[in-house]
Order: sequence, then C-alpha cells, then structure tokens
Amino acid sequence: AQTVTQSQPEMSVQEAETVTLSCTYDTSENNYYLFWYKQPPSRQMILVIRQEAYKQQNATENRFSVNFQKAAKSFSLKISDSQLGDTAMYFCAFMKRGGADGLTFGKGTHLIIQP
Amino acid sequence: DGGITQSPKYLFRKEGQNVTLSCEQNLNHDAMYWYRQDPGQGLRLIYYSQIVNDFQKGDIAEGYSVSREKKESFPLTVTSAQKNPTAFYLCASSIQITTLSYEQYFGPGTRLTVT
Repeated sequence: AQTVTQSQPEMSVQEAETVTLSCTYDTSENNYYLFWYKQPPSRQMILVIRQEAYKQQNATENRFSVNFQKAAKSFSLKISDSQLGDTAMYFCAFMKRGGADGLTFGKGTHLIIQP
Repeated sequence: DGGITQSPKYLFRKEGQNVTLSCEQNLNHDAMYWYRQDPGQGLRLIYYSQIVNDFQKGDIAEGYSVSREKKESFPLTVTSAQKNPTAFYLCASSIQITTLSYEQYFGPGTRLTVT
C-alpha cells in the first residue's frame, strides 16, 4: 500500500512571495503518477499539476512547479509570485500507473496568502 | 458544458436511514470514483468503477454500496451500517485507456449530515 505524507498542516506567506509545500510518499511501485490538487473554500478539488514518475524533468504550470526527487520519494510544490486566490488546502496525491486503486492522498496543507 | 455534477449539495438524514448520493458526468470518461473527506483528513477512496456494470471496493467500502448501470452515472448509497456517515463526499472521473488511467476530475461534492 502507498502512503503520502504532508508534514506542514498550515503555512502562511505574504502576497507575491514564493512558497514551497512538502510531500513525501512511500511505495514499492516503479511506475506511478504524482499530483497536487488545490481545494479552495468552495471545496471544489482542482488539479494544479501532474508528474509522471518516469520523467526526470520537473513539471511546471505557469507559477506552479514541482521538485520531484524519485530516489528520495519527495514531491514538493513551489508557488511563485503567490496571489490571494492561492489561499486553499493543497493535497499531494499518488496514483499507480493503471490507476486501478484510485488516488492516495496526503492530509493536506492549508496555505494562507496574506495581503 | 462538460463536467461532473453531484446533487444535492447538502443532504440531511436521520440515523438509520439509507441515503443515495448522485454523481453524473458528461465527459465520456470510463472510470468513476467515490471519495470521502473528513475534517483534517485527505480524501479516502470508497468505491471505484472502471467500466459499466463493474466496480471494486476501495479502502473504506464498509457501509456503502454503488451501482454502475450507465457510463454517465455512479450513485453511492450510504447505508445504515455505516457507523460515521457524516462527511463530505466527492465523486471523480477519469479517462481510462486499456490499463492506463489519467488524472481525475472532481465534482463539487455533497455534504451529508446524519443526526
């Protein structure tokens, strides 16, 4: 079974700053995907970014980028030029290639962007 | 607009009653999933279905049942056997190509309160 750990229950930064959210995972699988999802106060789950484990290049999506360290089983999310709208719960999630078991989620990090 | 709908947004039931949560998608996705979210927790997988007329138990299936008679619909029944049914329930779907699943897209969720 897989486990996903997010060690920062809450973080707070000033608008326009850069923030990094941590995620580690444990698995015996070699082929898998990792995701970051955002859950704003509306509680809608929104996909932020995705990383395939076989790709060495770190994924980026505009202001969002990841630092994927496969050997260390680490998958952190960096948010640059943070905005008030980035305030949300952020969940790290793991999925085996094939996805038969669905997603395994961490407990989340509550990110607060201060004006 | 393509998407996933869940109804109702809020649902109230008396203890001992079964209740069915609706999930419909018009994305032509093959795979559908049900997750439960409790305060301070990540999402946990209840049931999933990769094709019509087939579904599998997730990590916390006890006290729940599902059906998948149509590709577009994956209703979840919370039975009286579920000891702690009050939670936020999220439905998701994803493309499934042969044995590969891709990122999951989520509905807006249903908040179930049982008293």
